[in-house]
Amino acid sequence: GIQVEQSPPDLILQEGANSTLRCNFSDSVNNLQWFHQNPWGQLINLFYIPSGTKQNGRLSATTVATERYSLLYISSSQTTDSGVYFCAAPGGSSNTGKLIFGQGTTLQVKP
Amino acid sequence: EPEVTQTPSHQVTQMGQEVILRCVPISNHLYFYWYRQILGQKVEFLVSFYNNEISEKSEIFDDQFSVERPDGSNFTLKIRSTKLEDSAMYFCASTSPETVEQYFGPGTRLTVT
Repeated sequence: GIQVEQSPPDLILQEGANSTLRCNFSDSVNNLQWFHQNPWGQLINLFYIPSGTKQNGRLSATTVATERYSLLYISSSQTTDSGVYFCAAPGGSSNTGKLIFGQGTTLQVKP
Repeated sequence: EPEVTQTPSHQVTQMGQEVILRCVPISNHLYFYWYRQILGQKVEFLVSFYNNEISEKSEIFDDQFSVERPDGSNFTLKIRSTKLEDSAMYFCASTSPETVEQYFGPGTRLTVT
């Protein structure tokens, strides 16, 4: 099955700094999602981005499906950005099938 | 904005007891899922459900687990005889064929003592 790997595993930033999180996947995908897990454990949808670039406020994401990676950019980081960031891709050929999650990047933003 | 809801938010149970975790998916969604996350680990797929039957299940989803859509709104996960290793956060998710994007509920933290 597909393998999803994220880097770096941990990241510590000073408030206001920018960062890039990477997600590599082992097979071609037609769906890619980014999530933020907040300190209460909730999974918040950030982006559904099978290809191309999307922006939402200080966050943006780019997926290059042909090269099997996706990037999540966080600009002007805030303490509320802290938490774990997961990417997830379909585990089979169906878009409506299971998602396979990466191990996550744990981000700590210091004031 | 519509959202997936889950109850309870936290459940503590004794080993060997049955638990039922409840989810209300987004109303026009047709595909439903359960995932779990053991503390400090990644999110793992358990089961997917469509048209009133299981469409896929993982090796974790053994005979101790079952799912049901008892009415038009609820989607439940039952663990028949809980084990210590069932302690985890359980997430319900749903999607529609049009959007494909999976939306997750806030999770139920299950603690087995």
